[in-house]
Amino acid sequence: DAKTTQPNSMESNEEEPVHLPCNHSTISGTDYIHWYRQLPSQGPEYVIHGLTSNVNNRMASLAIAEDRKSSTLILHRATLRDAAVYYCILYRTGNQFYFGTGTSLTVIP
Amino acid sequence: DAGVTQSPTHLIKTRGQHVTLRCSPISGHKSVSWYQQVLGQGPQFIFQYYEKEERGRGNFPDRFSARQFPNYSSELNVNALLLGDSALYLCASSLGVGPNTGELFFGEGSRLTVL
Repeated sequence: DAKTTQPNSMESNEEEPVHLPCNHSTISGTDYIHWYRQLPSQGPEYVIHGLTSNVNNRMASLAIAEDRKSSTLILHRATLRDAAVYYCILYRTGNQFYFGTGTSLTVIP
Repeated sequence: DAGVTQSPTHLIKTRGQHVTLRCSPISGHKSVSWYQQVLGQGPQFIFQYYEKEERGRGNFPDRFSARQFPNYSSELNVNALLLGDSALYLCASSLGVGPNTGELFFGEGSRLTVL
């Protein structure tokens, strides 16, 4: 199985940047790194994905280590609506989608 | 446009029974995948279907089966229910398959309780 490891929880002050780390030492060359977040009583929501290069979109940035064994999701200015469980996922060719343990992000007003 | 819809939203079954969960993807999406989320854990991949064919399977016993219909909707079937099958079952749809074909859109899930 393609495993990812994330801290169980993190806190951030509102309006501050947040860096959410993920380790995926068993990543293979064709695995994409995806991030999703899940609010209580809702299905997961797409955040961002990438393969080798750093990626930016309107929600966040994804920084991928050169050896691809780790990555960091960056929320540039945390808001209260960003409080959620964030999942780092390896999407493997052959359509296997492995969720990690998730990081519960608390945003402090 | 309607998002991914799942039914029923909640259901209660007893051990040994059978359950069918249903999912309607976003219009135009041809791929549907299923996930099991036990309370306090991340979702676990069960199946992925594309154009009515199984394209991926997670580590679940044969009691779990699924199919996709010509209109791209899907059913997840679980036979001989066990207490440990109690979970939120999530369905997701996407335009295609593969790790770079875009995002998955998830429904709000069907919560199954097995007594």
